Amino acid sequence: DTGVSQDPRHKITKRGQNVTFRCDPISEHNRLYWYRQTLGQGPEFLTYFQNEAQLEKSRLLSDRFSAERPKGSFSTLEIQRTEQGDSAMYLCASSYVPGQGSGSYNEQFFGPGTRLTVL
Amino acid sequence: AQKVTQAQTEISVVEKEDVTLDCVYETRDTTYYLFWYKQPPSGELVFLIRRNSFDEQNEISGRYSWNFQKSTSSFNFTITASQVVDSAVYFCALSDPQNNAGNMLTFGGGTRLMVKP
Repeated sequence: DTGVSQDPRHKITKRGQNVTFRCDPISEHNRLYWYRQTLGQGPEFLTYFQNEAQLEKSRLLSDRFSAERPKGSFSTLEIQRTEQGDSAMYLCASSYVPGQGSGSYNEQFFGPGTRLTVL
Repeated sequence: AQKVTQAQTEISVVEKEDVTLDCVYETRDTTYYLFWYKQPPSGELVFLIRRNSFDEQNEISGRYSWNFQKSTSSFNFTITASQVVDSAVYFCALSDPQNNAGNMLTFGGGTRLMVKP
């Protein structure tokens, strides 16, 4: 299977605990995105990487959220001190963009998501 | 700021009916892309189509067709002869390659389509 994979698919945690999710993009894709989707809503952009560089993180929901992509391949999203309001589906997507310049665009392919439930 | 509005939250049709899902967008940019994604009950978003702002030609792919009208900032999606397997949540999305967030997608709230046999 060469699609985007995410692990775990489901996570139940207690309020105050830290959680970490992993995303493995399509192997030749250099861009990786994280989105959050709450029930009944469309996905909401959180952050993205171009290779290992995190080029946009101002839309992360709070300083409890952080993401890494240390070797430009897989990425992790960590939520510290989880709150009940963090319960949502966390989606990862990847794409290949051939150049740094704006204007080029390729589709984002999404993974199956990690559903987080904070009790 | 960018915004995508899908005014229809739920639509229910009987199999073989045609159905149109509406999408209205807002952007100040002259170059942008519009998308439709399907999210079946399994949860994974499936890409359906991309259009760029300079191409207003309507597109047909099998039972699916898309009507892009820049004058009304709309990008509507029609399913002809709907089938039960079309039941899903459909999202319209907008991307501006000029912004600083790497072609991030701005999604609408989605339209849940239920096709009954």
